[in-house]
Amino acid sequence: DGGITQSPKYLFRKEGQNVTLSCEQNLNHDAMYWYRQDPGQGLRLIYYSQIVNDFQKGDIAEGYSVSREKKESFPLTVTSAQKNPTAFYLCATLNQETQYFGPGTRLLVL
Amino acid sequence: GENVEQHPSTLSVQEGDSAVIKCTYSDSASNYFPWYKQELGKRPQLIIDIRSNVGEKKDQRIAVTLNKTAKHFSLHITETQPEDSAVYFCAATFRSGGYQKVTFGIGTKLQVIP
Repeated sequence: DGGITQSPKYLFRKEGQNVTLSCEQNLNHDAMYWYRQDPGQGLRLIYYSQIVNDFQKGDIAEGYSVSREKKESFPLTVTSAQKNPTAFYLCATLNQETQYFGPGTRLLVL
Repeated sequence: GENVEQHPSTLSVQEGDSAVIKCTYSDSASNYFPWYKQELGKRPQLIIDIRSNVGEKKDQRIAVTLNKTAKHFSLHITETQPEDSAVYFCAATFRSGGYQKVTFGIGTKLQVIP
């Protein structure tokens, strides 16, 4: 897990603002994921990517966007269309069926 | 798509007692079932996993059982200790359209009372 970094640790968003959460990995894993975690709702999949320049919507993709220009990086943008963005966001990789998580970013709305 | 149900949502046990968390899944194509432990404010960490060709797996005080026919699997923690207090997630992994997806249960908050 030390090979996955997320920044910032805390992020504040003003209404109508787009914000981008960073996720970088040096594990050389192909697949990367973004999850949203809310109290009592477990982990919900936002987007996932199997390879560079390819990504798929997860279960709650509305109001979010991603890019995968490099194998090591999978940034998540929370757009103004996401009306309830306050949550804990976890980035993860997948290798041989095992998921490895980053330390997370907590997003709060001002 | 896959649906994973997990219960109970909260569980309190006395130190030294056993704890059992149960999950069911819907897609018979799922073939890998990991369990994660998440301490407050931290990332989930894999604690044990089981594949569909195995019925039971043990690692010290932790064990997982899988019943493929009934599509359910369980986590068993024996001789619980205060440091076992955390949220535990089960998950089922399956392939969808060439991609591998992991579906998580809702989580169980375990409290071990000293």
